[in-house]
Amino acid sequence: KAGVTQTPRYLIKTRGQQVTLSCSPISGHRSVSWYQQTPGQGLQFLFEYFSETQRNKGNFPGRFSGRQFSNSRSEMNVSTLELGDSALYLCASSLGFSSGNTGELFFGEGSRLTVL
Amino acid sequence: GDSVTQMEGPVTLSEEAFLTINCTYTATGYPSLFWYVQYPGEGLQLLLKATKADDKGSNKGFEATYRKETTSFHLEKGSVQVSDSAVYFCALSDNSGGFKTIFGAGTRLFVKA
Repeated sequence: KAGVTQTPRYLIKTRGQQVTLSCSPISGHRSVSWYQQTPGQGLQFLFEYFSETQRNKGNFPGRFSGRQFSNSRSEMNVSTLELGDSALYLCASSLGFSSGNTGELFFGEGSRLTVL
Repeated sequence: GDSVTQMEGPVTLSEEAFLTINCTYTATGYPSLFWYVQYPGEGLQLLLKATKADDKGSNKGFEATYRKETTSFHLEKGSVQVSDSAVYFCALSDNSGGFKTIFGAGTRLFVKA
């Protein structure tokens, strides 16, 4: 069973540009969550999608957005990049929160974004 | 809101030493608790979990017990190996929290040969 796949793995952008990151979840998983990981802030929750609907959003500015497609693949977009957006962006898939499901997350290896 | 607090690192141990990483949580509902591990250059992977009070999760020699009375989920291992060097994250998920998992800050463990 293939794991969670994130692309690209590494990318370098300059301030003011925008970036789109992609995540393909494990087959059968309908929930996709995104996290930002930085040395100073740890793992910060960005948003969660289930069946193409955003069910929860973290405390990030509107420059951070996402979407989920009908095949459960998800993308996140960051517009007008700032130096502080440099981070590892992690995608995680799960079966989703429901009775009997504990919400275990399966992570991809991440997309490392460097903003110059 | 829900939160997770874990001991700051880094923690440096010699091989075969005993490991404890403390984790406490606050939650409005009845969360499931997790320990995830992140090896260098990789994403996080589940190490162990517990879904209700007094449950003990265990895997690869690591253990943690869900203590509702002390709102804790401390990670322990009796004898660490160099290969255990990684960052360990305590986390909780709670449906009442709105479909998200909350992570602690992470504790980096170094094990010396």
